[in-house]
Parts: sequence; structure tokens; C-alpha cells
Amino acid sequence: EDKVVQSPLSLVVHEGDTVTLNCSYEVTNFRSLLWYKQEKKAPTFLFMLTSSGIEKKSGRLSSILDKKELSSILNITATQTGDSAIYLCAVYGVSNTDKLIFGTGTRLQVFP
Amino acid sequence: DTAVSQTPKYLVTQMGNDKSIKCEQNLGHDTMYWYKQDSKKFLKIMFSYNNKELIINETVPNRFSPKSPDKAHLNLHINSLELGDSAVYFCASSQAGTSGYTFGSGTRLTVV
Repeated sequence: EDKVVQSPLSLVVHEGDTVTLNCSYEVTNFRSLLWYKQEKKAPTFLFMLTSSGIEKKSGRLSSILDKKELSSILNITATQTGDSAIYLCAVYGVSNTDKLIFGTGTRLQVFP
Repeated sequence: DTAVSQTPKYLVTQMGNDKSIKCEQNLGHDTMYWYKQDSKKFLKIMFSYNNKELIINETVPNRFSPKSPDKAHLNLHINSLELGDSAVYFCASSQAGTSGYTFGSGTRLTVV
């Protein structure tokens, strides 16, 4: 069965720290991996990584896909309290559907 | 204008009742989804429709019945509600070949 696992489950840091969130996957016919940020309501899209785009960066956030290790990391540098959220990793698996399989998420809390 | 809108945002109801959640998207996407997020924040797909056709039907009790009158709407009807149905239900939409989903803001269902 397709599976996405994230670690750690939760993380508490102080402002200014750098954090690394991990995601590993086992899916049939991997197509792409996505990262989402969920604060109070809907998950919002951060990055999509595919075979042709294995590293993405946006401001203090960056993500790398390691297809050999079937994993991805999300880095956040110089964390701010506004980064506090649940970070979700998701993978497109079966090729004839657009079904996203989500991991359990990492809850990040950033304190001043 | 909200891209993916769900109503109601909150729903509190008694066991045994029947309720519906509505979802509309104005993005012109061809695929819509229902996801359930449990108390541990795990997002799991329930259904997806592509141009009004059911594509994904996960292992969901048949008390849950999706209906898509057109490609911009996907409603979810739940019969004989049970305590375990309490969760946040997210509607989402996507367009084939583009990056990820756009989520609605969720419907928090509480069954008492």
C-alpha cells in the first residue's frame, strides 16, 4: 500500500533557529512530491518536486527531493513565529488518477 | 472571490441524523475531491470526481455519498451520522498537469 511518512511528528524551536523536516515515501509510479503548510484552516501549497525539478527555494524555505532514497526534506532557516504550522508532505502515486497521498504532518511551533 | 468554497464551515449534529456539505470551485478545474482530516491531522482521500464522473472511491462507508451535478460542484451527503464521523472535511480541486490541489477552508463536523 502506498505510504508517506513524516518526521518528526512535532518540533519546538526558538525564533532564528533552522529546522529540517523529513518525508519518506513508498508509492507505485512516483510522479511528484508536494509540500503544504497548514495553519488554522486549509493547507496551502508550498512546493512541488519532480524528477526534473529536485530542488526548490522560496525565501527562507527550501526543499530537496532524493529519488534514490525516496525522500524529501523541507528546510526553514531563520524561523519566525509565523512559521508555526503543520507541514504536510504529499505524493502523487497511481498514474491514472490525481490522488494525493498525505503524510501525517509535522507540527512546528516557533517561540519568540 | 474564494476559489474553493465549502458550506457550512461548522456543523454540530446528533448521532443518526443526515447532513450534507456543499463545495463549489470557480477555478475551472476538472477534478474535485473530498478529504477527511482526523483529530491527529491526518488527511485521507475519500472521493474524487473528474468532470462529474467518479474516479476514486476509497474504503468509505456507504453512508457517505458524493454527488457532482456539474464539474464546479461536489457535494457530500452523510446518512445516519456516527460519533466517529467527527472530523474536518476538506474539499479540493485540481487541473490535470498542474501543481497540486487548491483546498477549501474545511467543514468541521461534530457529531454528539
